[in-house]
Amino acid sequence: AQSVTQLGSHVSVSEGALVLLRCNYSSSVPPYLFWYVQYPNQGLQLLLKYTSAATLVKGINGFEAEFKKSETSFHLTKPSAHMSDAAEYFCAVSDTSGTYKYIFGTGTRLKVLA
Amino acid sequence: EAGVAQSPRYKIIEKRQSVAFWCNPISGHATLYWYQQILGQGPKLLIQFQNNGVVDDSQLPKDRFSAERLKGVDSTLKIQPAKLEDSAVYLCASSDRDKGTIYFGEGSWLTVV
Repeated sequence: AQSVTQLGSHVSVSEGALVLLRCNYSSSVPPYLFWYVQYPNQGLQLLLKYTSAATLVKGINGFEAEFKKSETSFHLTKPSAHMSDAAEYFCAVSDTSGTYKYIFGTGTRLKVLA
Repeated sequence: EAGVAQSPRYKIIEKRQSVAFWCNPISGHATLYWYQQILGQGPKLLIQFQNNGVVDDSQLPKDRFSAERLKGVDSTLKIQPAKLEDSAVYLCASSDRDKGTIYFGEGSWLTVV
């Protein structure tokens, strides 16, 4: 069975500092991996996705993530945090067998300090 | 391209009452999902449709929840009777199998009092 683990339910960074949100996955087959962002009172918006092409994936709003098979990780980073990045971030895994079932992590709430 | 549409956005009901949520997926998306997101948690899949057939409903509480997708387009999720623990956001999503990405609606926020 597939699963994702997001380390840290709350992360605080100063404006301009590096953002690092951690995600580790478990999958018996090569997965697809996703990061979604959720702003208050809104649905989930896709930030970026890994679908077995380049291991370093660039997304919207300056975010990127690197797929590391040896570490079963897909951590999300952004070099310089902005106040508008404050939101909840979810990592998700999907199998590639054609069932397209998506399993979400429990989320990490990012707080950006002025 | 229009996104996933959901209604109503907000609903407050008393326990033991019924409620229905409607979803219209992105045009051409064959796969439709209903997720339940309880405050402070990640989305949990309730049911997945492929066209108008059910792919996975293993986590749908079938004694009180039902969902249908007539003609493989719109979908309705119903809860009857509602319990306090059903208070959550109900997210509808759809995907184009070729692209492997799911797109979410804004969600329907349910409060059961």
